[in-house]
Amino acid sequence: AQKVTQAQTEISVVEKEDVTLDCVYETRDTTYYLFWYKQPPSGELVFLIRRNSFDEQNEISGRYSWNFQKSTSSFNFTITASQVVDSAVYFCALSDPNAGGTSYGKLTFGQGTILTVHP
Amino acid sequence: NAGVTQTPKFQVLKTGQSMTLQCAQDMNHNSMYWYRQDPGMGLRLIYYSASEGTTDKGEVPNGYNVSRLNKREFSLRLESAAPSQTSVYFCASSFLQGSEGYTFGSGTRLTVV
Repeated sequence: AQKVTQAQTEISVVEKEDVTLDCVYETRDTTYYLFWYKQPPSGELVFLIRRNSFDEQNEISGRYSWNFQKSTSSFNFTITASQVVDSAVYFCALSDPNAGGTSYGKLTFGQGTILTVHP
Repeated sequence: NAGVTQTPKFQVLKTGQSMTLQCAQDMNHNSMYWYRQDPGMGLRLIYYSASEGTTDKGEVPNGYNVSRLNKREFSLRLESAAPSQTSVYFCASSFLQGSEGYTFGSGTRLTVV
């Protein structure tokens, strides 16, 4: 069975600090996909990144960066120079391709990390 | 706008009442999903439909039924609501070749009193 663990329940930082959100996953599949979502106070789920199991390149998008390490089954997310608008719940999630290959299979979420950025 | 549409956005039910949450997508996606979100537990899969005509149980199916009415629509039914079903419900659809993978609806906040 797939499992995603986000050990940090809540993180509180002051604006401009860097913050890393941890994500550890378990799967027996050799092909899988990892995701990060942001859920702001308004409640919608905002897609941040998708990474497949064959692509271990780190990714940077503005102040956001992701470190994928297959050897440790981790997919950590760093926000550089945090801002108050980054305050949200962040979810890491894991999926595998559905049989037939046209869709994703079940998406398994971590428990989420509540990030609060203080001015 | 293309995407996943959920109705209603808010609902209050009395214990024992029934209701159906509606979900429709206009992106021609094969797979659709229902999740519930509870504090500290992330999102948990209730049911999913890999393709039109098929449905399967997820992690927390008890107390729910689903219908994949056609390729566009996937409804979730609570036959006899219980306070434990108070939650935020999200519908989603997926397409492997899409850049984001999954598209989520805006959620339904359900309270059972």
